[in-house]
Amino acid sequence: KNQVEQSPQSLIILEGKNCTLQCNYTVSPFSNLRWYKQDTGRGPVSLTIMTFSENTKSNGRYTATLDADTKQSSLHITASQLSDSASYICVVSSPRGSTLGRLYFGRGTQLTVWP
Amino acid sequence: DAGVIQSPRHEVTEMGQEVTLRCKPISGHDYLFWYRQTMMRGLELLIYFNNNVPIDDSGMPEDRFSAKMPNASFSTLKIQPSEPRDSAVYFCASSPGGEWGGNQPQHFGDGTRLSIL
Repeated sequence: KNQVEQSPQSLIILEGKNCTLQCNYTVSPFSNLRWYKQDTGRGPVSLTIMTFSENTKSNGRYTATLDADTKQSSLHITASQLSDSASYICVVSSPRGSTLGRLYFGRGTQLTVWP
Repeated sequence: DAGVIQSPRHEVTEMGQEVTLRCKPISGHDYLFWYRQTMMRGLELLIYFNNNVPIDDSGMPEDRFSAKMPNASFSTLKIQPSEPRDSAVYFCASSPGGEWGGNQPQHFGDGTRLSIL
């Protein structure tokens, strides 16, 4: 069964500290992996998209890594800010022509940054 | 540039009533997606359109749910009759053209929070 598992479920860190969120998946075949940030009461916003051949991608203080062999991804946040408090969702895509081109969603990691 | 616009932002209605959610995608985007988000199940893809044509509706939970896209700038998601278990936040998203599953990000609206009493 295709699945996406995120850990931890929730995380509290102090402002200025770094943190790493994990995403493990079993989706196959694989097309790409996306990380989204979702603020409370808002829609998700895309942070990074990585294909099979990419193993690192950055977006400001956010750096995503992908190990397609072990089917693991991580999102590293550097020098956290209060505005980083949000839910971070990992989404894995299967290509068109298989499983009807579905998207597989993790349940998200709820990050809280304290001053 | 305007993002994806959804209306209404909040909807409260009684069980059995018809509910219509509306979405205006970003101009020029070829793909439109409808999602549902609940605490129990997280984000779920319900249906998506390419060039106004429904491509995959296998995520639509029941026949009570229907979606249309009469033109490139407007889509609706309808629930008739509504039930309390339909209570959720419904998101619409759009993305530029290109192969499905490619490198284009999806742009989400801020959702409609639906409560069925």
